[in-house]
Amino acid sequence: GQQVMQIPQYQHVQEGEDFTTYCNSSTTLSNIQWYKQRPGGHPVFLIQLVKSGEVKKQKRLTFQFGEAKKNSSLHITATQTTDVGTYFCARDPTGTASKLTFGTGTRLQVTL
Amino acid sequence: NAGVMQNPRHLVRRRGQEARLRCSPVKGHSHVYWYRQLPEEGLKFMVYLQKENIIDESGMPKERFSAEFPKEGPSILRIQQVVRGDSAAYFCASSPVAGASNYGYTFGSGTRLTVV
Repeated sequence: GQQVMQIPQYQHVQEGEDFTTYCNSSTTLSNIQWYKQRPGGHPVFLIQLVKSGEVKKQKRLTFQFGEAKKNSSLHITATQTTDVGTYFCARDPTGTASKLTFGTGTRLQVTL
Repeated sequence: NAGVMQNPRHLVRRRGQEARLRCSPVKGHSHVYWYRQLPEEGLKFMVYLQKENIIDESGMPKERFSAEFPKEGPSILRIQQVVRGDSAAYFCASSPVAGASNYGYTFGSGTRLTVV
């Protein structure tokens, strides 16, 4: 099937540093969603991007959708220990409202 | 407004037994999805259901696994004759509309299945 790859797989930062995770697809995406899963927890919906070049912000989080709609990124400014978790992007592979396919995830560790 | 309720949170089964996982979606959500997650791995789609209908079961193993979402009551994921490889976290999610939307999916807390 059509893969959605995320890089990096894992990142360890010190509190206050910035963090970025990238989601890349070989095919054009109709939309992209982002989720966060805390250790031992369940995925929590963060945002959906639909338009080419779209940028959305949630406090210290900035989400971007590429101009070609083949990639997306999540950037966290000045990380905090509460940002620890795994960040997943997800797509609707057919664009016809079926189910979401999740990316491989990026695990973020933040230390003081 | 309760979210997605899954039970049990933890389930231990011996090899060969049956496991039944329950999921009550958010009130008003008619779309239910089951995902499996192995430790340190991503979420793998299993099945998508609407009330009384299986819409997409392309991620379900052909044998031993079944799912239903009856007119009344929770969605059930049933695993017969469990094997050690079935040990995983099983997450249920619901949404008010099909597929991707600005609502996203609401996930339950999951059922952690351990087969001994």
